[in-house]
Amino acid sequence: KAGVTQTPRYLIKTRGQQVTLSCSPISGHRSVSWYQQTPGQGLQFLFEYFSETQRNKGNFPGRFSGRQFSNSRSEMNVSTLELGDSALYLCASSAAQGYGYTFGSGTRLTVV
Amino acid sequence: SQELEQSPQSLIVQEGKNLTINCTSSKTLYGLYWYKQKYGEGLIFLMMLQKGGEEKSHEKITAKLDEKKQQSSLHITASQPSHAGIYLCGADFGNEKLTFGTGTRLTIIP
Repeated sequence: KAGVTQTPRYLIKTRGQQVTLSCSPISGHRSVSWYQQTPGQGLQFLFEYFSETQRNKGNFPGRFSGRQFSNSRSEMNVSTLELGDSALYLCASSAAQGYGYTFGSGTRLTVV
Repeated sequence: SQELEQSPQSLIVQEGKNLTINCTSSKTLYGLYWYKQKYGEGLIFLMMLQKGGEEKSHEKITAKLDEKKQQSSLHITASQPSHAGIYLCGADFGNEKLTFGTGTRLTIIP
């Protein structure tokens, strides 16, 4: 079966702009979570959605938001981009807690 | 203090040698995941451990979770160039997310 699909793979944006990243989970998986990976901070949890509801949120400013659609696809949005938002953004899908997390290939965001 | 400590941060091993990476939690784990990452790419799932004392193997990689469910080790036997990459442990503390260690960068030299 198809894995977790993230689009786009690469993105270059200018400071102050906003960006939307997309994640399509494995078919049948209802949980989607997002992570930010940077050299300095490592992998940091952003938020998790299950059946269109945000169940958990990490310690990120309100500029970072997300949503999940009825087909379980998820988007995350970052507004008013800052240079420090440059990172690899990874999403993971899961059938339920304890059933494992499968990660996508990530979106590499560069803010200039 | 970190909830999850991973060591060592980097490891350089001669091809054919064995190696071990450790992951220690400050609290009891619901589950412990091991992933491998090539630079700039996504995480490749290796193994998931949930029960105290559990041990799983895949090809030349073995992972164990201790009885108290607070420490895990990943052991690679007879390392190969294909084992090179970043190894990450991720802890499930029962809060709908994974908390990751800082990663171990593994380099295999001929």
